Amino acid sequence: EAQVTQNPRYLITVTGKKLTVTCSQNMNHEYMSWYRQDPGLGLRQIYYSMNVEVTDKGDVPEGYKVSRKEKRNFPLILESPSPNQTSLYFCASSSRLFQREREGQGSYEQYFGPGTRLTVT
Amino acid sequence: RKEVEQDPGPFNVPEGATVAFNCTYSNSASQSFFWYRQDCRKEPKLLMSVYSSGNEDGRFTAQLNRASQYISLLIRDSKLSDSATYLCVVNFGGFKTIFGAGTRLFVKA
Repeated sequence: EAQVTQNPRYLITVTGKKLTVTCSQNMNHEYMSWYRQDPGLGLRQIYYSMNVEVTDKGDVPEGYKVSRKEKRNFPLILESPSPNQTSLYFCASSSRLFQREREGQGSYEQYFGPGTRLTVT
Repeated sequence: RKEVEQDPGPFNVPEGATVAFNCTYSNSASQSFFWYRQDCRKEPKLLMSVYSSGNEDGRFTAQLNRASQYISLLIRDSKLSDSATYLCVVNFGGFKTIFGAGTRLFVKA
């Protein structure tokens, strides 16, 4: 079954204790991304990766690190978590589909993991 | 100003009603446009892509107006199962993606 998995699904931790949220996809997708979702703000992109060893910052990268050593995995690392990082986190992946020349755009459907609810006290 | 703005919700409609959601984006370099659906506490899932020529899938119709930087979603004959949050999504090429804050829809019997 094609899927994106995240672990853990729920985590309560304390300020300053390093943690890693894993993300894995089995669809051989080039692109992976991390988002956080907060009430009233929607999903905000933290980091994304266009391929192995290629990562870039999204809109809210402060306090987070990522790595892409293998195509299927894209872990999110919080070196020193703080309470303002309490949020619902989603990992997503997509493949680059063919460019529709007439429309001038590609179609990048993103497949999301089930989410990780993180609480930092 | 937010890069992607959606109608404030929630929308409360009876079954069978037609409901329309609007979304505006500020970056004229935007390349791809989508509507995603998110059920409570679940992951977002693609509802449909949006093209300048319009896109229809059953009861759902999406439109894009590049000149006005405006995207719409029309749901006809609403069902109870359509109750969800609808997310407007804009992609700037590569993989930089901006989500709107979402519009909640409640369909009542």
